[in-house]
Amino acid sequence: GQQVMQIPQYQHVQEGEDFTTYCNSSTTLSNIQWYKQRPGGHPVFLIQLVKSGEVKKQKRLTFQFGEAKKNSSLHITATQTTDVGTYFCAGANTGGFKTIFGAGTRLFVKA
Amino acid sequence: DAGVIQSPRHEVTEMGQEVTLRCKPISGHNSLFWYRQTMMRGLELLIYFNNNVPIDDSGMPEDRFSAKMPNASFSTLKIQPSEPRDSAVYFCASTPTRTSTDTQYFGPGTRLTVL
Repeated sequence: GQQVMQIPQYQHVQEGEDFTTYCNSSTTLSNIQWYKQRPGGHPVFLIQLVKSGEVKKQKRLTFQFGEAKKNSSLHITATQTTDVGTYFCAGANTGGFKTIFGAGTRLFVKA
Repeated sequence: DAGVIQSPRHEVTEMGQEVTLRCKPISGHNSLFWYRQTMMRGLELLIYFNNNVPIDDSGMPEDRFSAKMPNASFSTLKIQPSEPRDSAVYFCASTPTRTSTDTQYFGPGTRLTVL
């Protein structure tokens, strides 16, 4: 069945450093979504990518969707303590009917 | 506009007891999802409904778990009998369309502890 792998599992950074999390699917995706979950909170939708090679930016966050639509990445420039949390990717199979969440990358930011 | 509402927010019960978790999706949303989150297994999809009809319950761990959606504004997830390994945070989410691949809006979750 469809699998969505996400790495790394954890990342510790110093405030001001960059951070990247990667998401890989065993199958071609129709779209990929990214969510952020603050400690003790619930997943909150960040963005959805649909097109091959698509790149979208939200302030210091840059999201990419691979050309083959099998991988994606989230890059945060100059992390801040407010970026702390777990970032999940969630992919939907081409022609599929449900979204599969990756295991998430937990980001720790040291001030 | 209210988001997804879940109750209770915290539940502590003893092994063998029945537990019922409740969810009110965002008004007008057509699909509803139940997830379980643990450190070991991450975020697992248990079941999802479309227009109140269960579409995929392949994630429901075993017969002790059951879910219902009697109308468009209410759903329950029941565990009977509960076991310590059921301890987790249970999230309900809804989407505005009939497709489950749309943006999901999560509720605050119910933290269940089974002693």
